[in-house]
Amino acid sequence: EVQLVESGGGPVQPGGSLRLSCAASGFTFSSYWMHWVRQAPGKGLVWVSRINDDGSDAIYADSVEGRFTVTRDNAENTLYLQMNSLRAEDTAVYFCARDKSGSIEYWGQGTLVTVSS
Amino acid sequence: DVVMTQSPLSLSVTLGQPASISCRSSQSLVHSDGNTYLNWFHQRPGQSPRRLIYKISNRDSGVPDRFSGSGSDTYFTLKISRVEAEDVGIYYCMQGTKYWYTFGQGTKLEIK
Repeated sequence: EVQLVESGGGPVQPGGSLRLSCAASGFTFSSYWMHWVRQAPGKGLVWVSRINDDGSDAIYADSVEGRFTVTRDNAENTLYLQMNSLRAEDTAVYFCARDKSGSIEYWGQGTLVTVSS
Repeated sequence: DVVMTQSPLSLSVTLGQPASISCRSSQSLVHSDGNTYLNWFHQRPGQSPRRLIYKISNRDSGVPDRFSGSGSDTYFTLKISRVEAEDVGIYYCMQGTKYWYTFGQGTKLEIK
């Protein structure tokens, strides 16, 4: 069974940093591209970032480019999102998700990040 | 960016009646490989999204056959033939054809 379990969310002050983790199991992690998608409270889904299977290529939404960095450790089956210079508008539930050919096939349960002073 | 526009943004449907949600993209979603990567997701309150449909019309395993997807190029539709109580929530279309994925605003389905 595919499982994606996010962690690392919590409260943080504006300008602060946080690192999210996503532990993957039930599939060959190193074979799949992975995404981060976020959802602000009461709002819709917004794609944040994607990393390819070996971690050599990553792309970002304009809103987080230069502040967020996605990485992965295929030996540990873990996806990361390093978030720096956090803003109030980054407050959201962050989902990690598994890619499958132009789609998102599986989602984690999400972890809430709250940016507030 | 490819902008995905859904309509309506909310829908109130009587149990057993049909429902339809449309999704329009600002650019053609036909990929150079010939596929059209248009997906539909359902999100119940407090839960993660669940994929229902991929590549316009392919239902995921376990998705009831009352759900169907159709369309082409820039215009797509999700139809529920007979709405059941478990269908409440928000439906999102998402394109996976262009450089980064983009979602529609979501359509909230409630039971009348």
